[in-house]
Amino acid sequence: EAGVAQSPRYKIIEKRQSVAFWCNPISGHATLYWYQQILGQGPKLLIQFQNNGVVDDSQLPKDRFSAERLKGVDSTLKIQPAKLEDSAVYLCASSPSRLAGYVTDTQYFGPGTRLTVL
Amino acid sequence: AQSVTQLDSHVSVSEGTPVLLRCNYSSSYSPSLFWYVQHPNKGLQLLLKYTSAATLVKGINGFEAEFKKSETSFHLTKPSAHMSDAAEYFCVVSDRNNNDMRFGAGTRLTVKP
Repeated sequence: EAGVAQSPRYKIIEKRQSVAFWCNPISGHATLYWYQQILGQGPKLLIQFQNNGVVDDSQLPKDRFSAERLKGVDSTLKIQPAKLEDSAVYLCASSPSRLAGYVTDTQYFGPGTRLTVL
Repeated sequence: AQSVTQLDSHVSVSEGTPVLLRCNYSSSYSPSLFWYVQHPNKGLQLLLKYTSAATLVKGINGFEAEFKKSETSFHLTKPSAHMSDAAEYFCVVSDRNNNDMRFGAGTRLTVKP
């Protein structure tokens, strides 16, 4: 089966510019996640969607970051305006539907988008 | 909230010798625990996971991990390292109620010929 797709793979922008990342999860996966991985650190969850609703965005810097998943499939993460400290790899992951009384919690990751802010 | 501590930021072994990557976790609930591997410029790949079944979990590529509740540990081992094992390894703890996964800082494994 096809994995999680992300684009672009690399992006270089100047500070204060805006940027958008796209993610297409594994077909049939209802839950989608965006992570930020700063060099030398483990991934940190930014936002979690269940279908097209937000489950957790407590660690998303909402003054500059936004994300949407309008039709419950693809998702877009946007940064506007970007800061130097936003330089990182942005990972998208998906997991199967949450069933009643049971959470299938294995997450499958895409290759990531490496963002450099100059 | 749950958290993970990977005790070594870098481990270096010779090819053919055993691998031990250490992980301790903290969780208020019965956790799910995972090990993921990340090769350069590649996505994170699941090696194995523990979800309250057998405490000794076998994964891909000869890796295994043992859940020890009394020690709050989930160390990753492999009997014989291969050059292709060189990568970054992440221990992850998840609260099964909300799928909130917390990653460790990672351990970089170097394999010398």
